Amino acid sequence: QKEVEQNSGPLSVPEGAIASLNCTYSDRGSQSFFWYRQYSGKSPELIMFIYSNGDKEDGRFTAQLNKASQYVSLLIRDSQPSDSATYLCAVNCDSGGGADGLTFGKGTHLIIQP
Amino acid sequence: DGGITQSPKYLFRKEGQNVTLSCEQNLNHDAMYWYRQDPGQGLRLIYYSQIVNDFQKGDIAEGYSVSREKKESFPLTVTSAQKNPTAFYLCASSITSVGTDTQYFGPGTRLTVL
Repeated sequence: QKEVEQNSGPLSVPEGAIASLNCTYSDRGSQSFFWYRQYSGKSPELIMFIYSNGDKEDGRFTAQLNKASQYVSLLIRDSQPSDSATYLCAVNCDSGGGADGLTFGKGTHLIIQP
Repeated sequence: DGGITQSPKYLFRKEGQNVTLSCEQNLNHDAMYWYRQDPGQGLRLIYYSQIVNDFQKGDIAEGYSVSREKKESFPLTVTSAQKNPTAFYLCASSITSVGTDTQYFGPGTRLTVL
């Protein structure tokens, strides 16, 4: 059974600070990792994806992957009130026969305090 | 505009009725997916399709059925056998079914059983 674990929060961060969101996964065969942002009542929108160990930066967002520890994180620098949302970690495992869909964590609710 | 459309946005069903949720994409994506989201929960995979005329069960397929007669369309039928169908239903697509391909989501259909 594939599992993706996230702290549900809420995680409260002052405006302008760094928000750090964490995710662990159980399947060592997992190959690709995604962070989605979901506003209340809306569908998820992609923030970042990462496939290789290390850091990947895109604007204010940095994804970090450590496959040995089965850990992936998302850092948001210079947090803005508009960053307040639920952040979903998703993991994909392609066994060679094609992807069989994403396994999602339950999400971390992030609140940026003005 | 390219994208994924889902209809209707809201759907109400009486117990014992079958209902069909529409999902259409004009992104020329091969793979399509259906997920269900319950309050405070992550997304769970219902069905997915890697190519036309082929589809596979996800983690929670019982009480649901799908078809994939056209590349652009992947309708989901919620049958009366689904005991707790009230949820937010999300359709997604990706270019191919390779695990590293990003999945993009439609706006969702919120189903309520009366």
